[in-house]
Amino acid sequence: DQQVKQNSPSLSVQEGRISILNCDYTNSMFDYFLWYKKYPAEGPTFLISISSIKDKNEDGRFTVFLNKSAKHLSLHIVPSQPGDSAVYFCAAERGGSEKLVFGKGTKLTVNP
Amino acid sequence: NAGVMQNPRHLVRRRGQEARLRCSPMKGHSHVYWYRQLPEEGLKFMVYLQKENIIDESGMPKERFSAEFPKEGPSILRIQQVVRGDSAAYFCASSPLMTGELFFGEGSRLTVL
Repeated sequence: DQQVKQNSPSLSVQEGRISILNCDYTNSMFDYFLWYKKYPAEGPTFLISISSIKDKNEDGRFTVFLNKSAKHLSLHIVPSQPGDSAVYFCAAERGGSEKLVFGKGTKLTVNP
Repeated sequence: NAGVMQNPRHLVRRRGQEARLRCSPMKGHSHVYWYRQLPEEGLKFMVYLQKENIIDESGMPKERFSAEFPKEGPSILRIQQVVRGDSAAYFCASSPLMTGELFFGEGSRLTVL
């Protein structure tokens, strides 16, 4: 039962363009969402998060959008840089629970 | 380095042996989580611990797996009688709070021959 889904296993974009990574969830009890970035042979590192009371959160080149009615969130990276090439995991949490539920990840490749 | 420290980074075991993975949380963090990542999969929650207490082990297989976070020393994830299906990357994370951002270690990669 995949409660957090990242349907695109991979994405390739040109340097300087926008990268859009998508994530869908099925559990309406989730109220906090996070994006993690992972390089090969390293642990995931936190990138950006959003609470369900918001629909947008921005941090530099990274913006996360939340559409609660569609149970959908997306991560926008603009402009994309080659150093952004990594696997991006979407994660969700239900208030009162201490565990994150992760998607399978999307591998982003930014071409110079 | 004040980050989450995991060791060993790589561990090779034969079927039937035991695997012990260690995790030292970030300084000041009292909440420890273990996640497992199978090949081509996302991270799956296994267990959440505080010092001397298992808070949530709903993601742990019922047999052969155990975890502890003693008063002194690192958290230990123990896998007894390993099987090939246990081959995975095991990530430890810590946080100072019950919810929110987790800080992950670099993972321990277990290979069962």
